[in-house]
Amino acid sequence: DSGVTQTPKHLITATGQRVTLRCSPRSGDLSVYWYQQSLDQGLQFLIQYYNGEERAKGNILERFSAQQFPDLHSELNLSSLELGDSALYFCASSVTVRQGASGANVLTFGAGSRLTVL
Amino acid sequence: AQTVTQSQPEMSVQEAETVTLSCTYDTSESDYYLFWYKQPPSRQMILVIRQEAYKQQNATENRFSVNFQKAAKSFSLKISDSQLGDAAMYFCAYRMEYGNKLVFGAGTILRVKS
Repeated sequence: DSGVTQTPKHLITATGQRVTLRCSPRSGDLSVYWYQQSLDQGLQFLIQYYNGEERAKGNILERFSAQQFPDLHSELNLSSLELGDSALYFCASSVTVRQGASGANVLTFGAGSRLTVL
Repeated sequence: AQTVTQSQPEMSVQEAETVTLSCTYDTSESDYYLFWYKQPPSRQMILVIRQEAYKQQNATENRFSVNFQKAAKSFSLKISDSQLGDAAMYFCAYRMEYGNKLVFGAGTILRVKS
């Protein structure tokens, strides 16, 4: 158990629908990152939050949105789903400390949420 | 923008042998961090090893070691005494500084033959 919890583990839905993926970061981690991994492909960065605020944005579609709540959990909302949105969605968390600190700069990943759009 | 390139889509190694996975990256930064992550069939992303660019000494973790060539922007992973459980997709990743996102390469599938 990495300490990063993602729910649901699997989700099957239809085109045009909306889903919400949830992530609870590791205790003490302030940053949350969302990545998308399509079939047999690398991980594409979607978005990062730090202590409730958006910090960086990657190749995230306008149909997708995310937020990080005061308790530091995060949600990724995917709407108007298309077949191509079928993928494994990873959440990762990290602690932000000064350079050299033990454990710094390491992203810890959750087990992922597998989304299938039919 | 920083990029990470893994030029070997797939590699094979005999059990107990040694294999090296290649990774190159492009950055104009002087301080950064490099990682190798393993993704077994379970799809979990597992950190294998990390290297801080300011450290000249190559990182090692048991059977895993890296060859970090900062000037050449090269970061290869050597797996010694390969085991069946090493079979997985391996991703090389770059991080500019603390608090920043990871940029991943496309991955290398490692197959281990018994």
